[in-house]
Amino acid sequence: DIQMTQSPSSLSASVGDTVTITCRASQGIGFYLAWYQQKPGKPPRLLIYASSYLKSGVPSRFSGSGAGTDFTLTISSLQPEDVATYYCQKYAAAPYTFGQGTKLEIK
Amino acid sequence: QVQVQESGGDVVQPGRSLTVSCSASRFPFRNYAMHWVRQAPGKGLQWVASILSDGSNEDFADSVKGRFTISRDNSKDTLFLQMNDLRVEDTAVYYCARGSFAGATEALDVWGQGTKVTVSS
Repeated sequence: DIQMTQSPSSLSASVGDTVTITCRASQGIGFYLAWYQQKPGKPPRLLIYASSYLKSGVPSRFSGSGAGTDFTLTISSLQPEDVATYYCQKYAAAPYTFGQGTKLEIK
Repeated sequence: QVQVQESGGDVVQPGRSLTVSCSASRFPFRNYAMHWVRQAPGKGLQWVASILSDGSNEDFADSVKGRFTISRDNSKDTLFLQMNDLRVEDTAVYYCARGSFAGATEALDVWGQGTKVTVSS
């Protein structure tokens, strides 16, 4: 099975900063990579699909890139409401594995 | 708006069975694949199972294969997860999520609030 590895597992940044989270697949998955945001006590929310397509309603400060095995989620101009845990997921075929998550905090 | 809502979570003893449900509304349920994803306390997301729109194919995580069954009733816009031989490590919030439309390949774009399953003696 393909494994999904995120880094870092946690990070702390200041309001206004640009942060980057990476996700690596153990084998190529094309562009079939999604990013989710989960706030405490809430269900996950789809942010980005097909590696770089922003879901409707998601702020444009979120962006994604990558293909094959290496993917990136970038948050520009970090806002207090971005505090959450972020997950990547491969979704081309089962098993639809998630990364282990990246917990983002504000300094 | 488009939504899914889980129900049926409970406290059960190890080795027992439980079925949780997911009711869909305001979208053509019969046209979408559906998924179950779980989250153990303080842990990350784990994909559990999925089923195609017409119920013709199911997939399971290795950790639940042979114990869990996924099914759907398209006439009632409802998804089910039957969990047998439950283990303490199955304790989690179980989320229902909408997957791909028809033959497409799409991410999980609609999520429920989750239903809590606790396996404890």
